Amino acid sequence: QQPVQSPQAVILREGEDAVINCSSSKALYSVHWYRQKHGEAPVFLMILLKGGEQKGHEKISASFNEKKQQSSLYLTASQLSYSGTYFCGTEGGGTSYGKLTFGQGTILTVHP
Amino acid sequence: KAGVTQTPRYLIKTRGQQVTLSCSPISGHRSVSWYQQTPGQGLQFLFEYFSETQRNKGNFPGRFSGRQFSNSRSEMNVSTLELGDSALYLCASSLDRSFLSYNEQFFGPGTRLTVL
Repeated sequence: QQPVQSPQAVILREGEDAVINCSSSKALYSVHWYRQKHGEAPVFLMILLKGGEQKGHEKISASFNEKKQQSSLYLTASQLSYSGTYFCGTEGGGTSYGKLTFGQGTILTVHP
Repeated sequence: KAGVTQTPRYLIKTRGQQVTLSCSPISGHRSVSWYQQTPGQGLQFLFEYFSETQRNKGNFPGRFSGRQFSNSRSEMNVSTLELGDSALYLCASSLDRSFLSYNEQFFGPGTRLTVL
């Protein structure tokens, strides 16, 4: 089942902060975050594992609430380059391991 | 280190034809996943291969198939193309599928398939 992302769109001015949420109805092993610019491939930002480990870009932070099966991506002091569509991909355990189910995306626009 | 490469980048086919797309993963990566991206359905998982074995499959008809070679390169095939198969097909590679390891996937630029 597809995770639900919120909000669907965000408009910021440079320097402002934003939070993008991802919620799943299924138990998760990991959550992956990607950013995709128009006409380009998704770029890996962050992976958060069940158990608290995470790995990703230094300027990006995220959280993973295992009990609620929710993850949030925190974008602070936004830059013009942050504009794009953000996707969360969720990965279950067991036979679902290795299969990412993506949310519908959150469109982030940063203005000067 | 070279990224994931996909060929061809663009493809135009007509209904009923078949198509084969190719993906070369990052050197050392053994897992290759395929996704279909459309404006209406978003990013949808097709299948994943690891060490030449299909480990996971999404909810796509049997017209969509794939394989992986011993050098980890992968191909996907779509037979009897339909208009609705027009999409961006992305492949992604990852280093390892060991449980409890990081399994981040790195995407290639995609193949834009247009079915007329």
